[in-house]
Amino acid sequence: ETVLTQSPATLSVSPGERVTLSCRASQSVRTSLAWYQQKPGQAPKLLMYDVSTRATGVPARFSGSGSGTEFTLTISSLQSEDFAVYYCQRYNNWPPWTFGQGTKVESK
Amino acid sequence: EVILMESGGGLVQPGGSLRLSCTASGFTFSNYWMHWIRHAPGKGLVWVSRISSDGASTTYADSVKGRFTISRDNAQNTLYLQMTSLRAEDTAVYYCVRDWGYSYASNYFDPWGQGTWVTVSS
Repeated sequence: ETVLTQSPATLSVSPGERVTLSCRASQSVRTSLAWYQQKPGQAPKLLMYDVSTRATGVPARFSGSGSGTEFTLTISSLQSEDFAVYYCQRYNNWPPWTFGQGTKVESK
Repeated sequence: EVILMESGGGLVQPGGSLRLSCTASGFTFSNYWMHWIRHAPGKGLVWVSRISSDGASTTYADSVKGRFTISRDNAQNTLYLQMTSLRAEDTAVYYCVRDWGYSYASNYFDPWGQGTWVTVSS
């Protein structure tokens, strides 16, 4: 089973800052990687798929990059509504389709 | 607007059973693969099960295989998860989730329901 490791576990930032979240896979997932955002009390929401394709309605300040085993989600200028937990998920090959343990982006 | 509404969660004793339902609206339910994903307290998201758009194909995580059964009623726009032999480690919020792909399984997930809590405890 492919394990996804996200870092850091928690990131304390201020609005306007550039934020970089990391997701590392224990084996190659090629470009079959998605990102989700979960705000308190809400269900997760798809942000990005195929590494760098933004889901419908996702602002352009969100971008994704990487391939193989190393991936990055970048928020170019953090807005107050972006404080949340972010999860990566791989969907290559066979199940189970696994998630990282999440990175919490919190207010500094 | 796409809406997924789960129901059927609650408190159950170890070894007990529970059936979750998910009523879908705002899209052609019969055209989409569907999934159940759970989130235990203090832990990460875990994919549980998947069913094809016509219900003919089902897939399970090893942790629930033989105990959980996913099914759907396309005429009623409803997804089910029958859970038996429940264990404490099944305690989680269970999300009904639509596959992103239209008429195929992309295996990433959008949108998600609000979830229903399942607590397994004596």
